[in-house]
Amino acid sequence: KAGVTQTPRYLIKTRGQQVTLSCSPISGHRSVSWYQQTPGQGLQFLFEYFSETQRNKGNFPGRFSGRQFSNSRSEMNVSTLELGDSALYLCASSLWAASYNEQFFGPGTRLTVL
Amino acid sequence: AQTVTQSQPEMSVQEAETVTLSCTYDTSESDYYLFWYKQPPSRQMILVIRQEAYKQQNATENRFSVNFQKAAKSFSLKISDSQLGDAAMYFCAYRSNLETSGSRLTFGEGTQLTVNP
Repeated sequence: KAGVTQTPRYLIKTRGQQVTLSCSPISGHRSVSWYQQTPGQGLQFLFEYFSETQRNKGNFPGRFSGRQFSNSRSEMNVSTLELGDSALYLCASSLWAASYNEQFFGPGTRLTVL
Repeated sequence: AQTVTQSQPEMSVQEAETVTLSCTYDTSESDYYLFWYKQPPSRQMILVIRQEAYKQQNATENRFSVNFQKAAKSFSLKISDSQLGDAAMYFCAYRSNLETSGSRLTFGEGTQLTVNP
């Protein structure tokens, strides 16, 4: 079974632009969570989607948004990029949005904002 | 809100020796899960071991075991017979069992483990 895939793996943008990152969960998984990883703030939860609905949201500004499609693939969008948005963005999938389900992480998308 | 603290930014161990990574957490909940994740240089996060708070028995996975002290809110990871491939950043993570929390993980700051040959 294929693992969680994220595209693109690397991305360079300039301040003020917007960006869309994609995450394809493991086949059959319906929950997708997104995390931002930076040297200063560590790993922080962005949001979780289940059955095309946002179930949880972390403490991030409204510039960060996401969505999930009927095939469980998820995208996250960051508008009006700032230098501080440079980070590794990880997504994780699980069967259900339940605490006992193991989450499987993708390899991440490295976003650099210049 | 829950917090997870890893007080050891870096640790090193000799190959074949044993090392223990520390983690403490703060929560007012009684039902939750704790995890140790490994992130090698490839950056792919890999689950090492997990512990259900309602289980008193400490979890073990081959060379990896935990010491879970619920009253002290402590959750340490012991790696026995350390191997070069164990070198990575290790994250302790908390997940609530409340339905409203879903799959949300709260991570500690991480401990960078070096394994010396």
